Amino acid sequence: QVQLQESGPGLVKPSETLSLTCTVSGGSISTHYWSWIRQPPGKGLEWIGYVYNGGTTNYNPSLKSRVTISVDTSNNQFSLKLTSVTAADTAVYYCAKHGVSVHFDYWGQGTLVTVSS
Amino acid sequence: SYELTQPPSVSVSPGQTASITCSGDNLAKKYVCWYQQKSGQSPVLVIYQDTKRPSGIPERFSGSNSGNTATLTISGTQAMDEADYYCQAWDSSVVFGGGTKLTVL
Repeated sequence: QVQLQESGPGLVKPSETLSLTCTVSGGSISTHYWSWIRQPPGKGLEWIGYVYNGGTTNYNPSLKSRVTISVDTSNNQFSLKLTSVTAADTAVYYCAKHGVSVHFDYWGQGTLVTVSS
Repeated sequence: SYELTQPPSVSVSPGQTASITCSGDNLAKKYVCWYQQKSGQSPVLVIYQDTKRPSGIPERFSGSNSGNTATLTISGTQAMDEADYYCQAWDSSVVFGGGTKLTVL
């Protein structure tokens, strides 16, 4: 059974960089695709991007200029960095594992990140 | 960019059938999946590859995809099925529908 756990600061100041880590247990980070997804309070889901094969990435075009997703295979983790944040980046951030197709079969519990001074 | 459109809300009486649609250009040519999200919880996959149910998902959940519309059908809807439902597909990147709030009256 794969488990994912997000970690990182719950409060980030405007214009700074949001950094989160997802720790994976019960499965190898070196296989499958791994994504970050976010959900602003009271709103829908927005895919941020994925990483696979040790470092190949694909990002949401609307966020691409500010996003970096990377993998730490030694710790079975992958990470998200989102630069130049504003209040619009306030959301619950989820990490998730892709299944054999385009779907997400395992999700983390999510972590709320608030952008505020 | 590709868009998936869902009705904001659907209401159903207990025991009846609920249908939630997801529309997109030539959607039948793409695999569609569906997630259930209850208040304060992470999304849960209920349908993938248009029609397949993950292990542990009740048989009352089914999916279809034809033309420009994919449909999630919940037969014999129960109070526990009240939740937000999201469709998702792939079009050079991951795309989510806006979500549908299912109310079981």
